[in-house]
Amino acid sequence: DIQMTQSPSSLSASVGDRVTITCRASQSIRNYLNWYQQKPGKAPKLLIYAVSSLQSGVPSRFSGSGSGTDFTLTISSLQPEDFATYFCQQSYSKRTFGQGTKVEFK
Amino acid sequence: EVQLVESGGDLVQPGGSLRLSCAASGFIVSSNYMSWVRQAPGKGLEWVSIIYSGGSTHYADSVRGRLTISRDNSKNTLYLQMSSLRAEDTAVYYCARSIVGDTTDYFDHWGQGTLVTVSS
Repeated sequence: DIQMTQSPSSLSASVGDRVTITCRASQSIRNYLNWYQQKPGKAPKLLIYAVSSLQSGVPSRFSGSGSGTDFTLTISSLQPEDFATYFCQQSYSKRTFGQGTKVEFK
Repeated sequence: EVQLVESGGDLVQPGGSLRLSCAASGFIVSSNYMSWVRQAPGKGLEWVSIIYSGGSTHYADSVRGRLTISRDNSKNTLYLQMSSLRAEDTAVYYCARSIVGDTTDYFDHWGQGTLVTVSS
């Protein structure tokens, strides 16, 4: 099965910071890569699909890039509502999530 | 409006069985890919199973042979039949709808989750 590894597992940042989260697949997944945001006690929310396509209603400060095995989620200017946990997910073969990256307030 | 409402979560003893339901509205379950995703307390997301619009299914290795995904088209409802439950199956179980894009498919709508606790 395809393994997804995110880094870092957690990070501390301030409002206005640029934040980058990486996700590495154990084999090429082409562009079958999606990103989700989850807040405590809530269901995940789709942010980005197919590596870089922004889901409707998601602010443009979120962006994604990458291909093959290495992918990145970037938040250009962190806002108070962005403190959450972020997960990457592949749909190339079955489905797998990364272990998550918790973005905390510095 | 697309809505997914899970039910059926409960406290069950190891080795026991349980059936989860996910009632859908605003779209047709049988025309979409539908999945179950779980989250153990304080842990990350784990994909459990998928049923494709054509009816074929796939499972995570950790649950194959013990959990069974199905749907009732007349009720527009997704199910997860759980048997031989273990402590490590304790989690919030979410149902999620997938949208199939040009390449990838992705979970665009999720239910609120239902808690399954396996403990004696």
